Amino acid sequence: AQSVTQLDSHVSVSEGTPVLLRCNYSSSYSPSLFWYVQHPNKGLQLLLKYTSAATLVKGINGFEAEFKKSETSFHLTKPSAHMSDAAEYFCVVSDRYTGKLIFGQGTTLQVKP
Amino acid sequence: DAGVIQSPRHEVTEMGQEVTLRCKPISGHNSLFWYRQTMMRGLELLIYFNNNVPIDDSGMPEDRFSAKMPNASFSTLKIQPSEPRDSAVYFCASSLQSGTQETQYFGPGTRLLVL
Repeated sequence: AQSVTQLDSHVSVSEGTPVLLRCNYSSSYSPSLFWYVQHPNKGLQLLLKYTSAATLVKGINGFEAEFKKSETSFHLTKPSAHMSDAAEYFCVVSDRYTGKLIFGQGTTLQVKP
Repeated sequence: DAGVIQSPRHEVTEMGQEVTLRCKPISGHNSLFWYRQTMMRGLELLIYFNNNVPIDDSGMPEDRFSAKMPNASFSTLKIQPSEPRDSAVYFCASSLQSGTQETQYFGPGTRLLVL
């Protein structure tokens, strides 16, 4: 079965410093992986997705993620955090047969001024 | 496009009452998903439809929950009778079609509180 593990429940960075949100996946095949963001009291918005094309995926708002098969990781990064990046971030894997999304537990990103 | 539309945005009800949540998917999308989000369990898929047909309802907690999709532009999730443990945020999402690489677009959610 596919699964994702987000290694940090809470990450705090200062504005202007890099962001790293870690995600490991478990899958017996090449998975489809997504990062979604949820701002307070809002729905989920897709940041980026990996679907077996380029291993470095660029998303919206300056975020990117790199698929590393050898490490079974799909970490989300951004060179410089903005206050508006403060939100909950979800790493997600798509079930190969059904397309059902399987969510990680989420990482809360705090950005300090 | 207006995106996925959900109503109501907030619902407060008393235990034992019937609750109906509504969703309008993005026009042209063939797949629709209902999720529940709680602090304890995170985001869980309850049920999904493809071309208005329920494909997998294994996530529906119990018989008190039911979902329908009478046409391509409307779906409901009903809880009858409601219980305090049903308090959660319920999201509806739609995608162009079912499949592992399809992006799901989420609505703003319905925040349900059962007293």
